[in-house]
Amino acid sequence: DAGVTQSPTHLIKTRGQQVTLRCSPKSGHDTVSWYQQALGQGPQFIFQYYEEEERQRGNFPDRFSGHQFPNYSSELNVNALLLGDSALYLCASSRVAGFTGELFFGEGSRLTVL
Amino acid sequence: KNEVEQSPQNLTAQEGEFITINCSYSVGISALHWLQQHPGGGIVSLFMLSSGKKKHGRLIATINIQEKHSSLHITASHPRDSAVYICAAHGGATNKLIFGTGTLLAVQP
Repeated sequence: DAGVTQSPTHLIKTRGQQVTLRCSPKSGHDTVSWYQQALGQGPQFIFQYYEEEERQRGNFPDRFSGHQFPNYSSELNVNALLLGDSALYLCASSRVAGFTGELFFGEGSRLTVL
Repeated sequence: KNEVEQSPQNLTAQEGEFITINCSYSVGISALHWLQQHPGGGIVSLFMLSSGKKKHGRLIATINIQEKHSSLHITASHPRDSAVYICAAHGGATNKLIFGTGTLLAVQP
């Protein structure tokens, strides 16, 4: 049973560019949430998708957007990249919308903005 | 002041010691998660609890809703337990997940 998979694992972009990160949830899970983790910091919640709609959102600007597909996979898009967007981006899936179910995390996508 | 505070920030223990990591939160919650993160980034969920106590192997998590406090205990610690331990509170009113800054644990043989 495949767990949560994320791609790409590493990528390098320059300021002003746009990036798309992808996440496939664990089999049987329909809820996907995204997190940003800067080096040496704890993760910060970006948003959560359920039934193809953004259900909750953290304190992130509109440059951060997402999408969930009918097969429950999800994308995180970041426009107009800033140096401060350099971080590990984590995806987690669960059976339950919200955060009252166990979360299963992917290995993350490490983004470096130059 | 962060809404979720962990202590200690760093902890070094000798193999076999009993370890306690604390998490205090200021928001009303519907659930609290304990997570483990190894170098390289991958996060593993250890516990999700909303009341009482849970045990899995050598790990025990407790929560006191009235005192807004949770603890993670590791019995008979082992070098493979070395990792960052993170608590995250699900704020029921805001419906967001708020993370602590983590506790870096090093268990020496």
